[in-house]
This record gives sequence, C-alpha cells and structure tokens, in this order.
Amino acid sequence: AQKVTQAQTEISVVEKEDVTLDCVYETRDTTYYLFWYKQPPSGELVFLIRRNSFDEQNEISGRYSWNFQKSTSSFNFTITASQVVDSAVYFCALSPSNSGYALNFGKGTSLLVTP
Amino acid sequence: DSGVTQTPKHLITATGQRVTLRCSPRSGDLSVYWYQQSLDQGLQFLIHYYNGEERAKGNILERFSAQQFPDLHSELNLSSLELGDSALYFCASTSPRGTGSKNEQFFGPGTRLTVL
Repeated sequence: AQKVTQAQTEISVVEKEDVTLDCVYETRDTTYYLFWYKQPPSGELVFLIRRNSFDEQNEISGRYSWNFQKSTSSFNFTITASQVVDSAVYFCALSPSNSGYALNFGKGTSLLVTP
Repeated sequence: DSGVTQTPKHLITATGQRVTLRCSPRSGDLSVYWYQQSLDQGLQFLIHYYNGEERAKGNILERFSAQQFPDLHSELNLSSLELGDSALYFCASTSPRGTGSKNEQFFGPGTRLTVL
C-alpha cells in the first residue's frame, strides 16, 4: 500500500522565518517518485519539485530546499526567509512506477505567513 | 498557466442529477489523470487514461465514469449525484515517456461541483 503522511496540519510563521514541512511516505515499491505541490488560495495546484527514488541528492531552488532521506522515508521541504506569498496549502505526493504514475497525496499542510 | 484547461469552472446541480466535466490536456500530452479534492477525503486519484485507453483506476465510484477521445480531451461523467460528491475535480496531464519529461503532472484549474 502507498501512503503519505503530512503530520503538520497547520503552521503559522512570521515573515522571514524559516519553516520546514514534513513528509513521510510508505511504499513497497523500489522505484517511485516524490513530489511537492503548492495550492494557493486561488485553488490551482502548482508543481514544485519531483524526485525519483534513486536520487537522494538534496535540492535547492531559490528560497526552497528539499531533503530526501530514503533511510527514514522522508521528503521534507524547507522555505527559507518565508514571505506572505508563500501562504498556501502544500501537498507531498508519492507516485509508484507500477501505478501509471498516479499521485497519492498527503492531507496537506496549510502554511500561513503573517507580516 | 499550466496549459491544461477544464470546463466548466463551477457547476451547481441537484442530487440525483448527472453532470459531465471536460478536460483538455497540454498540447502533445497523451496522459490524463482525474482527481477529486474534498474536505473529507483530501486529494484522491480517480482514474488515468493514456492515448484513449484506461490505464489505472483509483477510488472512483461506480456512478462515475470517464473516457478519453481521439483528440485526447477527456470527460468525467458523474451520475446519481449525492451531496457528498461536492468537491473540486482536477484533471492533470503529463508528457509521454521518453520525451525528457520529468513525469510531473500539470494540473488544470479544476471544476468546483456543488450538489444541493
């Protein structure tokens, strides 16, 4: 079975603080992909990053960084120097290779960044 | 703009009715995925079509069906609607394998269905 757990339901930070969103996944597949999507208040789903199970390199993109640790089945997302525009719901998703790459989403973490 | 279009944007209907949601994938994308986002269930995968053929089913009710047409647009049909079917329905498309894509799914803006 595939499962994604985002234990943090809501997080509230003040602008310029760093914040880490946790994601833990379960799968028996050896080949899979992990994703993060952002859903701002307007409702659309915006792709942020994709990682495959063989690539444990951390990635940084501007203020965003991702830490993939296969040993702990985690794929955490850090926003550095948060901004009000980062306020959104963030979803972690798992896509096993044998499911046609359908996404299994976590419940999401609602991030509120206040000025 | 992801390049994926969905119509209509909003739909309000009554219990017992039938509706059709439409999705046009990005130009060149052969795969279409449908997802349902509700307060109770979160974001759930419903069904996947690739080049006109059904490839995978998720938590799709028997009252729901989908198809993908030769021009690659897809329709999701919801029948005998219940109050609990009220949700945001997304479709997503992805590039064919071997095209250098990263398998990321590009989502449409969604159709918000309200069943009264």
